[in-house]
Amino acid sequence: DAKTTQPPSMDCAEGRAANLPCNHSTISGNEYVYWYRQIHSQGPQYIIHGLKNNETNEMASLIITEDRKSSTLILPHATLRDTAVYYCIVRVLTPGSARQLTFGSGTQLTVLP
Amino acid sequence: DTGVSQDPRHKITKRGQNVTFRCDPISEHNRLYWYRQTLGQGPEFLTYFQNEAQLEKSRLLSDRFSAERPKGSFSTLEIQRTEQGDSAMYLCASSATTGTSGRRDTQYFGPGTRLTVL
Repeated sequence: DAKTTQPPSMDCAEGRAANLPCNHSTISGNEYVYWYRQIHSQGPQYIIHGLKNNETNEMASLIITEDRKSSTLILPHATLRDTAVYYCIVRVLTPGSARQLTFGSGTQLTVLP
Repeated sequence: DTGVSQDPRHKITKRGQNVTFRCDPISEHNRLYWYRQTLGQGPEFLTYFQNEAQLEKSRLLSDRFSAERPKGSFSTLEIQRTEQGDSAMYLCASSATTGTSGRRDTQYFGPGTRLTVL
């Protein structure tokens, strides 16, 4: 699976949009981009994933650049409860490929009141 | 919607003792994963099952570790002769190999079991 690069930390004001970047310049055509977050002392929580197109769900939006070498997770109206470590992971889903998720260091997002 | 559950949530043990953790996956999920997470690091893969078959094991899974999923439902992870280096959060996740491509094989995690070895 391709390696990802994320900033180690970011701050965001409560109520504002939080934009978390991820670089995955070596991504291959069949690799999906996944985002998870982990609130302190809890298990990781799935947020969203995508292949090529932008995706949106009740938690967040995922914007993937046309060349797929980077993506941005957007939390439209950040709250204090969104303070967490956010992990960007790229992963192949084809038969025979590795099934596990490979977590990097992630981005510590702190939402400030 | 019942999520992944793990038991116990916390375990304190003395070095040399054996410990066993249990994971109950989401009921229709046929894949089950174990990860370990030490302080300040992201989770690291240990092993995974598809139904009752253990299909992959990480090099992190030393011979003191054993995992089972006897009936393809819940799983147990046992650590024998615990060492202080085993202190970590042990995470379980599950996924389904069926469903739309949007959700197929998306892993959902439990709350973890925090192990402290004294």
